Amino acid sequence: GNSVTQMEGPVTLSEEAFLTINCTYTATGYPSLFWYVQYPGEGLQLLLKATKADDKGSNKGFEATYRKETTSFHLEKGSVQVSDSAVYFCARENNAGNMLTFGGGTRLMVKP
Amino acid sequence: EAGVVQSPRYKIIEKKQPVAFWCNPISGHNTLYWYLQNLGQGPELLIRYENEEAVDDSQLPKDRFSAERLKGVDSTLKIQPAELGDSAVYLCASSSRGVGSYNEQFFGPGTRLTVL
Repeated sequence: GNSVTQMEGPVTLSEEAFLTINCTYTATGYPSLFWYVQYPGEGLQLLLKATKADDKGSNKGFEATYRKETTSFHLEKGSVQVSDSAVYFCARENNAGNMLTFGGGTRLMVKP
Repeated sequence: EAGVVQSPRYKIIEKKQPVAFWCNPISGHNTLYWYLQNLGQGPELLIRYENEEAVDDSQLPKDRFSAERLKGVDSTLKIQPAELGDSAVYLCASSSRGVGSYNEQFFGPGTRLTVL
């Protein structure tokens, strides 16, 4: 079946540090891939997405590249801010395009 | 434009009691989802509605969980009776049918249920 595996947290960084959160997915079909972010007390928000191999999704300084050969979609940001502290979820779409499977989430804490 | 609205935000009940959660999706969104999010885990789909029809409820524990979406707008998720293991956050999301293979899901803030 479909599954998504992401690195466990928490990830604790200092402000302006480089961020990588790893995500891999099961390679059934050619799913669209997503990163969602959940700020404290809020619902999940779509951060970025990529719909085919080698696509790069980007938003708010975050980037992730759809790597078919390694079935990965790692999230990166060159310089994190305190306001980036949140839980990040990697997700893949099913082949019908109507369902998401989420990873377990990675909590990011950025210290000033 | 208002987002997905859920109520209550928090609910504390004793085991064996019934509980209900309410969701109002974004206006015009025909697809509605209920997810279960256990502590430290990602959301898991419980049920998906296309308008008023439940098209995917394979993960809904039907012995104690039920859901409805009358008139294809608001939805209610019920648990009766609640068990200790039901303590979790219940998320509602909605999306609209559009062009392309994926229609972005917009999430509500969730209802945090604690069963004592």
